[in-house]
Amino acid sequence: NAGVTQTPKFQVLKTGQSMTLQCAQDMNHEYMSWYRQDPGMGLRLIHYSVGAGITDQGEVPNGYNVSRSTTEDFPLRLLSAAPSQTSVYFCATWGQGFGYTFGSGTRLTVV
Amino acid sequence: AQSVTQLGSHVSVSEGALVLLRCNYSSSVPPYLFWYVQYPNQGLQLLLKYTTGATLVKGINGFEAEFKKSETSFHLTKPSAHMSDAAEYFCAVRSAGGTSYGKLTFGQGTILTVHP
Repeated sequence: NAGVTQTPKFQVLKTGQSMTLQCAQDMNHEYMSWYRQDPGMGLRLIHYSVGAGITDQGEVPNGYNVSRSTTEDFPLRLLSAAPSQTSVYFCATWGQGFGYTFGSGTRLTVV
Repeated sequence: AQSVTQLGSHVSVSEGALVLLRCNYSSSVPPYLFWYVQYPNQGLQLLLKYTTGATLVKGINGFEAEFKKSETSFHLTKPSAHMSDAAEYFCAVRSAGGTSYGKLTFGQGTILTVHP
């Protein structure tokens, strides 16, 4: 089992460009979430989903969009990248009896 | 609402010394508590967790933590530090019920340095 797969691992964007960070899971977990990690700030919740077709905002949602059309996938979209979005992004799932499973992260730099 | 405060963004110890990383939480409902470790340029690894039952929780790599409800604390300890323990440690809380279903809230992180 792959668990939680994030792609790409590294990305450099120019200010104003758009991109999608992919997150896929094969554990059939209903709950999926996106975090960003910045030095001295821990991990902060961007968006989360409790099942296909259901998404909600976390602590720092501005500048990011999400959708959840299937149980397996939870992409994170940056519509117009800004330098403040330079960060490491983690996708995580939660399943009853399994706890949280984190992806390996995507390191994004916006120049 | 739930929140986590880790006291001390940097902790430095000598090899063989006691490791103590402090974590205090707030939660309006009974919490589930977690400690994660992150080695440089890697993802998060679960060290230990408290859900219910015994308040002293043992984890991997010789770490343990004690849930103290009266102090709203979940401090992480290890009797004898090893060079390989150098990493960043995150405390996290998830409410066991209410509207915070599934949400995991992290502290700011503590960077542990181990000196030979």
